[in-house]
Amino acid sequence: DAGVTQSPTHLIKTRGQQVTLRCSPKSGHDTVSWYQQALGQGPQFIFQYYEEEERQRGNFPDRFSGHQFPNYSSELNVNALLLGDSALYLCASSSGPAHEQYFGPGTRLTVT
Amino acid sequence: DAKTTQPPSMDCAEGRAANLPCNHSTISGNEYVYWYRQIHSQGPQYIIHGLKNNETNEMASLIITEDRKSSTLILPHATLRDTAVYYCIVISNAGGTSYGKLTFGQGTILTVHP
Repeated sequence: DAGVTQSPTHLIKTRGQQVTLRCSPKSGHDTVSWYQQALGQGPQFIFQYYEEEERQRGNFPDRFSGHQFPNYSSELNVNALLLGDSALYLCASSSGPAHEQYFGPGTRLTVT
Repeated sequence: DAKTTQPPSMDCAEGRAANLPCNHSTISGNEYVYWYRQIHSQGPQYIIHGLKNNETNEMASLIITEDRKSSTLILPHATLRDTAVYYCIVISNAGGTSYGKLTFGQGTILTVHP
């Protein structure tokens, strides 16, 4: 039974570029949440997708967008990258919107 | 969601019980206490949650005070692999638009020594 998988593992981008991160939820889960974790900080909620719609959103600008596919996998897109977007991006899945979430290993994004 | 306060760091000897405190004095009646941990270079891992009764599972025990203003996560026999950042999160299970929106603080860095 595969857990939450994320790709790529690491990514280096230049300021102003765009990036797409991918997440496959744990088998049987239909809800995906995305978090950003800066170095030394706790994860910060970006948004959550359920039934292919953005259900709720944290305090992040519109440069951060996402998508959920019919197979429940999800993408996180970040446009016009800033140096401050450098962080670990975590995907978590759950059965319906729920507080008990299973996290993937994350994608480490470095913006230079 | 109620604010939580945790000590920034704690130490524990291997094989001993690790007791991690969390203060949540503004917790309301429909808010649960959730615990997650994050081992270095991994995503957070759900541990346990509770409302007012003590809870136990294969990973840990959760003790919530009678007034619900504080709680303690207990790892009964800590191992080196329990070294991690432990997060206490207070959140409502009443549904609504914030369901599943976890708010992580700074957590407690637990270091288990040989």
